Amino acid sequence: ETGVTQSPTHLIKTRGQQVTLRCSSQSGHNTVSWYQQALGQGPQFIFQYYREEENGRGNFPPRFSGLQFPNYSSELNVNALELDDSALYLCASSLVQGSWEQFFGPGTRLTVL
Amino acid sequence: AQSVTQLDSQVPVFEEAPVELRCNYSSSVSVYLFWYVQYPNQGLQLLLKYLSGSTLVKGINGFEAEFNKSQTSFHLRKPSVHISDTAEYFCAVRQGGSEKLVFGKGTKLTVNP
Repeated sequence: ETGVTQSPTHLIKTRGQQVTLRCSSQSGHNTVSWYQQALGQGPQFIFQYYREEENGRGNFPPRFSGLQFPNYSSELNVNALELDDSALYLCASSLVQGSWEQFFGPGTRLTVL
Repeated sequence: AQSVTQLDSQVPVFEEAPVELRCNYSSSVSVYLFWYVQYPNQGLQLLLKYLSGSTLVKGINGFEAEFNKSQTSFHLRKPSVHISDTAEYFCAVRQGGSEKLVFGKGTKLTVNP
């Protein structure tokens, strides 16, 4: 069984640019959540997608957006990057909406200069 | 809003000593509680969870935690740690009806020989 995978592993961008991060869910999982983990902090919930629809959002501005595809893979898009967007971005998939267990990927380390 | 407090940011211990990592959360109304471990450059791995029932829960790698509703605590314990337990540990809570996990800031456990 393939776990959650994320790409790229690392990324360096400059302020004002746009970035797309990708996530492939664990096989059979139809729900994906995205988290931002700043250095020295715990992960913070960005949003969740279920069957290609946004289903719950944390306290993040609209320049953070996402997509979920029919194969349940997902993208996180961030526009107009700011220095504070530098963080580890984690994707987590779960079998069904409301499932208690989320399986996390290794993350994408984004650095904004 | 739900919040999670991990009282110790760093815990150094010697190998084979017992350890307790403390976690308090803000609301005891219909919550699900989790402990995750994060090894360097990796995603989060679920150690254990409390959903309902027995307040003492056992997880992987010899860890256990006790749910205390009156003290709104969910402390993680291990009677004898190994060098390989060196990692960062995150306590998380999910409130019933919400899709998001709320994490604490993490406790860095360092096991010394």
